[in-house]
Amino acid sequence: GQNIDQPTEMTATEGAIVQINCTYQTSGFNGLFWYQQHAGEAPTFLSYNVLDGLEEKGRFSSFLSRSKGYSYLLLKELQMKDSASYLCAVHQNAGNNRKLIWGLGTSLAVNP
Amino acid sequence: DSGVTQTPKHLITATGQRVTLRCSPRSGDLSVYWYQQSLDQGLQFLIQYYNGEERAKGNILERFSAQQFPDLHSELNLSSLELGDSALYFCASSPQTGGYTEAFFGQGTRLTVV
Repeated sequence: GQNIDQPTEMTATEGAIVQINCTYQTSGFNGLFWYQQHAGEAPTFLSYNVLDGLEEKGRFSSFLSRSKGYSYLLLKELQMKDSASYLCAVHQNAGNNRKLIWGLGTSLAVNP
Repeated sequence: DSGVTQTPKHLITATGQRVTLRCSPRSGDLSVYWYQQSLDQGLQFLIQYYNGEERAKGNILERFSAQQFPDLHSELNLSSLELGDSALYFCASSPQTGGYTEAFFGQGTRLTVV
């Protein structure tokens, strides 16, 4: 089967660092996305990893280990506006049927 | 602004009715994806079209159907609506179908079935 697991909720303090983990079990793995979604708004793209290792983009970094079925999103120098849901999505390539499988998201609350 | 336009933004309708949600992708994007997002199910992939043809199918009910027109806009038709169909419906677009690239999401249509 296919499964993506993320923590449901996390809390952190403004200025701190937080790591949001995502584990997955899926066939035909072809990359992993992280999206940010503020309440009632559309998801917006943060990062994409297809090879093992760390991808850094400003305050946000994303890591992937394909052998462990594991990824994390690292947010540094947290700001209040980072309070949002963070969605992990796996790109599954099953023959002619390519699709994204989404985790339920991690709701991050940043406190002053 | 992602460049993806969805109409209407809000829709309230009764059980048993039929509605059509519309999506205009970003200029030049050939792929359109439809998603349903509810509180308990998270973001669920429904269906993908590429240049007018169905390319991938997810958890789309038989009561739901979609199509992509020659001008690349897409419509999602929901019929025999049930209370459980109340959700946010997102459309996303991307330039290609294989070698997946990031998808750009519209602001969604919030459907309430009463």
